[in-house]
Amino acid sequence: EAGVAQSPRYKIIEKRQSVAFWCNPISGHATLYWYQQILGQGPKLLIQFQNNGVVDDSQLPKDRFSAERLKGVDSTLKIQPAKLEDSAVYLCASSSLTGIPDTQYFGPGTRLTVL
Amino acid sequence: DQQVKQNSPSLSVQEGRISILNCDYTNSMFDYFLWYKKYPAEGPTFLISISSIKDKNEDGRFTVFLNKSAKHLSLHIVPSQPGDSAVYFCAANRGYGQNFVFGPGTRLSVLP
Repeated sequence: EAGVAQSPRYKIIEKRQSVAFWCNPISGHATLYWYQQILGQGPKLLIQFQNNGVVDDSQLPKDRFSAERLKGVDSTLKIQPAKLEDSAVYLCASSSLTGIPDTQYFGPGTRLTVL
Repeated sequence: DQQVKQNSPSLSVQEGRISILNCDYTNSMFDYFLWYKKYPAEGPTFLISISSIKDKNEDGRFTVFLNKSAKHLSLHIVPSQPGDSAVYFCAANRGYGQNFVFGPGTRLSVLP
């Protein structure tokens, strides 16, 4: 079974530029999450999708961050414009409604550096 | 407000000995807890979980203990192996389908 795929793995941009990250979850997983992990901290949830609907985006900075999950499969997270404090690893995770409850499977992450 | 705390940023243990990683939480509504392990340049991987109706869950070399009255859980690894060297995150939620809150992680180094 293929894991969660993310691209790119690394991205360096200057502040005020735009950037987009892509995630393809494990096949059949209905729930998809985007997390932000700042160095030295645990992952912080940005947005959760159930199929293609948003379940929770309470911690998403909506003035600059947006995310979509078209057709309930892969997803993109966009930052426009980026700020220095957006430098972090962006993790995508997915989970199934069956199996071990609430177990999330994470992708390798995208490390974003904003200069 | 940090609801899940892992007060030891790092821990070093000799191979073959026991590793004990601690986690404290402040929200009494949390009732499901997970431990994740993370290697460099990889995403976290699920290790073990425990529900609040239990006080212990064991899976091979890994055991998680939950003390609800103290709002404390711990992960025991026995015996520790060099391959266990990683960052360990504790996470908690308020029930099925609720979002998880992660601790900041503890970096475990198992020395040969």
